[in-house]
Amino acid sequence: AQSVTQLGSHVSVSEGALVLLRCNYSSSVPPYLFWYVQYPNQGLQLLLKYTTGATLVKGINGFEAEFKKSETSFHLTKPSAHMSDAAEYFCAVSDKTQGGSEKLVFGKGTKLTVNP
Amino acid sequence: DSGVTQTPKHLITATGQRVTLRCSPRSGDLSVYWYQQSLDQGLQFLIQYYNGEERAKGNILERFSAQQFPDLHSELNLSSLELGDSALYFCASSTPGPGELFFGEGSRLTVL
Repeated sequence: AQSVTQLGSHVSVSEGALVLLRCNYSSSVPPYLFWYVQYPNQGLQLLLKYTTGATLVKGINGFEAEFKKSETSFHLTKPSAHMSDAAEYFCAVSDKTQGGSEKLVFGKGTKLTVNP
Repeated sequence: DSGVTQTPKHLITATGQRVTLRCSPRSGDLSVYWYQQSLDQGLQFLIQYYNGEERAKGNILERFSAQQFPDLHSELNLSSLELGDSALYFCASSTPGPGELFFGEGSRLTVL
């Protein structure tokens, strides 16, 4: 079964600083990888996804992530943090179920705090 | 707005009781997923339905059950509730294939 590890349950940055949220995955097959964001009292919203093709993936709100197969990583970055980026971020990998369908396996999440 | 609707948003009940959470997927989506989010376990996959049929089961307790109806809405039934069942329960829907899940805003269950 696939799994995801997010390093750092809490990350704090200053407004305007680089955001780097780390994600490593374990997968026996080429993975489909996702980053979701959860704002307080809301559901999860897709930031970006990697399925095939270009390994640098751009998402919404200025975020991007790079798939590195050799490092089994899919780290999320944003050059300049904004106060509105404060949220919890989840990395996920697609996993095939016994029935042949796909489900997402999520990491434990990283809570991002942006300081003024 | 993801297009996925969950009710109720909040629910407070007592141990031993039974509750039903409801989910309406996005228009046209045939797959419905249920996830449980708690502080200690994170986001755990419970169960998936596709066009009325159960497709996959995750870490779902025997006290929990779900179904998807012909109009594609889904219900998650939680019975003999325990304090540890307090959590946020999310429903998500998707189109076929390894794509994006669209999440509802969740149902927050508190068991006292």
